[in-house]
This record gives sequence, C-alpha cells and structure tokens, in this order.
Amino acid sequence: DTEVTQTPKHLVMGMTNKKSLKCEQHMGHRAMYWYKQKAKKPPELMFVYSYEKLSINESVPSRFSPECPNSSLLNLHLHALQPEDSALYLCASRLIGQSGANVLTFGAGSRLTVL
Amino acid sequence: KNQVEQSPQSLIILEGKNCTLQCNYTVSPFSNLRWYKQDTGRGPVSLTIMTFSENTKSNGRYTATLDADTKQSSLHITASQLSDSASYICVVSANYGQNFVFGPGTRLSVLP
Repeated sequence: DTEVTQTPKHLVMGMTNKKSLKCEQHMGHRAMYWYKQKAKKPPELMFVYSYEKLSINESVPSRFSPECPNSSLLNLHLHALQPEDSALYLCASRLIGQSGANVLTFGAGSRLTVL
Repeated sequence: KNQVEQSPQSLIILEGKNCTLQCNYTVSPFSNLRWYKQDTGRGPVSLTIMTFSENTKSNGRYTATLDADTKQSSLHITASQLSDSASYICVVSANYGQNFVFGPGTRLSVLP
C-alpha cells in the first residue's frame, strides 16, 4: 500500500457544525502532516505529528483540532469554522529515520466548503 | 531565509509541444528537491525527486535537472498532452527532512 487516503473528498458545513476530516496510511510512515491550500496557492503547513505526538503547530486557530490516535491515522476536527476556512485540506506523510525519509506523500485532499 | 521561486507563473502551450519550467531555491541545508504535479482540486502527485548528487532524472516524458551549485532545477516536458494541464510545484526538503519549502507553482495549460 503506497497511498495516503483522505475522507471525505468533499465536505460542506455550516459555521455551527462539528465535523472531522480523516487521513489514513499504511506505509509505516511515522510523520503525518495537515496542509491547507487555497486556490492557486501552494499548500500551507498547519500541523505535524511525529511518532503520534504533535511536533509543529503553525499558529493554527483552535477551531481546528488535530488528533493522531495511532501511527496510521490522522484526524482534523472542525468546529465553529468561518467561510474563509473553505479550502482544500491535504494530508501528507513521510518515513522517519531511513533512506528516502525526506519526501512527502500526499493524499488526494478533502475539499471543505463553509457556509 | 529558506525560499523557493518558480517561473513562469503560468504557461500556455499547444498539444505536442515541449516546455521547460524553472525552480530556483535558497534552502539550507539542502536535502532533496521534488517536482509534484497537482490537478485542480486534487493532492500533489510526485513526478521526480533529485538529491544533491543527481544532475538529471527522467520519468517518462518528464525530465528534471538539478544544478546544486547555482541552486536551480528545471522540469522539461516533451510532447505535451492535454492531461499535462495542471500546476507543477517544486518542493525542497531542508534540514534532513525536517522542513519542506514549497514553491508557488507554475500553472500549465495545454491546448488542442
């Protein structure tokens, strides 16, 4: 398995809703990432987990809450979002500590629309 | 400051033609450079990865070059197809994979 799987592919939510984005990989990668991407812009780093522990939080608002329940899963919990949070949310992963560790493998993304 | 620049910002070519995309970086310590293709609304897909010691690498119709002295990379696409229409993003890994610096991308449109 050489894929990063993201669900759902599309999500529409109101500003008062609570929803979650999910990411899964079975490549043995121990670093997992959340990126936010607006149209015609490069991805912006949000969070990094290393060995299931949060290692980087790029000053992301608390309405975004990441969770890494195990080495294969990464969640992004969403609550009280704003319309400007509408974007493509990308999950990525990478191997740690071996040859070929310095490359990111991306999922297909979750398109989020906040009404 | 670690930075990746790409040119041109956008490019329109006719089907069957060749094109070259450029990536300049100021990233230290350099680990590797990867070109990704990203279709609209989809995640980036890796095309090639270049390490410090590699000058040229091909993947089908895609050929990437790397000049570590001038800190420049190029992605050459031969015999373009309509399906090549996408954004091409240059990503440089720094600090032994601790940091990934993204370029702004080049938007390629291939017209029939």
